[in-house]
Amino acid sequence: EDQVTQSPEALRLQEGESSSLNCSYTVSGLRGLFWYRQDPGKGPEFLFTLYSAGEEKEKERLKATLTKKESFLHITAPKPEDSATYLCAVQATGYSTLTFGKGTMLLVSP
Amino acid sequence: NAGVTQTPKFRILKIGQSMTLQCTQDMNHNYMYWYRQDPGMGLKLIYYSVGAGITDKGEVPNGYNVSRSTTEDFPLRLELAAPSQTSVYFCASSRYSITTSFKTDTQYFGPGTRLTVL
Repeated sequence: EDQVTQSPEALRLQEGESSSLNCSYTVSGLRGLFWYRQDPGKGPEFLFTLYSAGEEKEKERLKATLTKKESFLHITAPKPEDSATYLCAVQATGYSTLTFGKGTMLLVSP
Repeated sequence: NAGVTQTPKFRILKIGQSMTLQCTQDMNHNYMYWYRQDPGMGLKLIYYSVGAGITDKGEVPNGYNVSRSTTEDFPLRLELAAPSQTSVYFCASSRYSITTSFKTDTQYFGPGTRLTVL
């Protein structure tokens, strides 16, 4: 059974204070690992897909990395508008469905 | 493109009532999904469809039914509403291919329907 564990559950940062969110996973064969951002009362918004260990992707202040056991979402010099819940999900080879973690709620204070 | 749209945005049901949550996508995606999201529990897959006329159960299908008569629409039916079905429901769609060379299979989500059963 595929499993995704995200840590921490919640993270509070000051504006400009860089940090990382963790996503640990177990999957029979990884087709892709997905990061989403979810604002309160909204649907998840796609950020990144990573397909193989060593891969990295960046978007503005966000950088996602992938190893064979975990993924990190690095947030550099965050701003209050980066406050959201960040969701990680894995897709196993041969399957279209995703297994989601419970998310990390990020709050960035000015 | 509007992407994935869901109606209604909010709904309150009484125990035992029925309703249909609507989902439409205009991206010509072959795969569609229904999730529920409870506080602190992440997204759980209810049902999904690989194309018109084909549906399959996800992790938490009990109490729900789906149909897929067109590529665009994937309604979710609650027949006898129970308090345990109080949740936020999200529909998603993707363009999926089993071939590893075709990797643009990201799931795109709708804005959600907040359902309360009293």
